[in-house]
Amino acid sequence: AQSVTQLDSHVSVSEGTPVLLRCNYSSSYSPSLFWYVQHPNKGLQLLLKYTSAATLVKGINGFEAEFKKSETSFHLTKPSAHMSDAAEYFCVVSDHPDSSYKLIFGSGTRLLVRP
Amino acid sequence: EAQVTQNPRYLITVTGKKLTVTCSQNMNHEYMSWYRQDPGLGLRQIYYSMNVEVTDKGDVPEGYKVSRKEKRNFPLILESPSPNQTSLYFCASSPRQAAQPQHFGDGTRLSIL
Repeated sequence: AQSVTQLDSHVSVSEGTPVLLRCNYSSSYSPSLFWYVQHPNKGLQLLLKYTSAATLVKGINGFEAEFKKSETSFHLTKPSAHMSDAAEYFCVVSDHPDSSYKLIFGSGTRLLVRP
Repeated sequence: EAQVTQNPRYLITVTGKKLTVTCSQNMNHEYMSWYRQDPGLGLRQIYYSMNVEVTDKGDVPEGYKVSRKEKRNFPLILESPSPNQTSLYFCASSPRQAAQPQHFGDGTRLSIL
């Protein structure tokens, strides 16, 4: 069965410093992986997705993630944090090789950005 | 504008009083899902629908019902709500093709007293 582990429940960084949010997954298939962001009182917004085309995936707002099959990881990074990046981030794996209707969510990482 | 719309956004009610949360999408998506979000647990799927009149249980279906009579609508029904159903609920939709991201509504916060 597929599963997702987000290794940190909270990450705190200073504005202008790099962001690293860690995610490990397990999957029986060649997985589709996603990162979503959730701002307070809002739904989830897609940041980026990996679907086997390229291991380094660029997303919106300067975020990127690298798929490492040997490490079963899909960590999210950003070179320089902005105050507006403060939110909760979810790593997600698709539970079915032929569709995305069933997603498995990590427990989330709350990113705090200090001035 | 492409969107998933949920109503109501907030609801406080009492145990046993039937309620319905509506969800509508304007993107002609085949797939729709309901999730609940609880602290430390991420999002867990309640029910999903692959198309009109086709629904199936997700990971936490107990105490919930759904229907899919039209492609755009996917209401979530709590026949006899209980306090353990107090949560933040999200509806989502996606196209049928593989590896397509789901589009989420803004959420419905339910409090069952």
